[in-house]
Amino acid sequence: GENVEQHPSTLSVQEGDSAVIKCTYSDSASNYFPWYKQELGKRPQLIIDIRSNVGEKKDQRIAVTLNKTAKHFSLHITETQPEDSAVYFCAASNTNAGKSTFGDGTTLTVKP
Amino acid sequence: NAGVMQNPRHLVRRRGQEARLRCSPMKGHSHVYWYRQLPEEGLKFMVYLQKENIIDESGMPKERFSAEFPKEGPSILRIQQVVRGDSAAYFCASSPPVPTEAFFGQGTRLTVV
Repeated sequence: GENVEQHPSTLSVQEGDSAVIKCTYSDSASNYFPWYKQELGKRPQLIIDIRSNVGEKKDQRIAVTLNKTAKHFSLHITETQPEDSAVYFCAASNTNAGKSTFGDGTTLTVKP
Repeated sequence: NAGVMQNPRHLVRRRGQEARLRCSPMKGHSHVYWYRQLPEEGLKFMVYLQKENIIDESGMPKERFSAEFPKEGPSILRIQQVVRGDSAAYFCASSPPVPTEAFFGQGTRLTVV
């Protein structure tokens, strides 16, 4: 089955700096890669996703890149703000967006 | 659209009791997925259901756990004879008939004492 590894497990940045979280996956059949943000005690919320026919996608301060050959994808957050502090999860799935394999999460702390 | 609704939000059970977790998908969604999240860990897929059918239960423990999604009413995740190791947050997600995206409910936090 699919295996997703996520690094780093914790990340601390100063407000205004950029944050990068990286994930690798093992199943070359995976073609959908969502990123979720989870605040303490709350639901995972989809913040951005990318499909395997696209190399990069951007939404305001958030961008995701995908390298199919190397089987890795990354989340980039620019101009970080304290409200970006949360746990971020990457995931991978094959066609069915609901059945995903998740990484173990990155706890991002943005210091004011 | 009220989103994916889960209840109860918090559930406390004594060892050996049964836990029933309910999930109502978003309007128009016909696919339901259950995930378990242990403290400070990622989400682990448990089961994927459509109305009256279990499509994929590859992540379900072999014993004590069952799930259903009846023709009428919410999806139910049932845990019999709970043990302390079952304490976790259980999240339900739903997707439309063509599952291009999924949305999560607020979760049920199960505590076994």
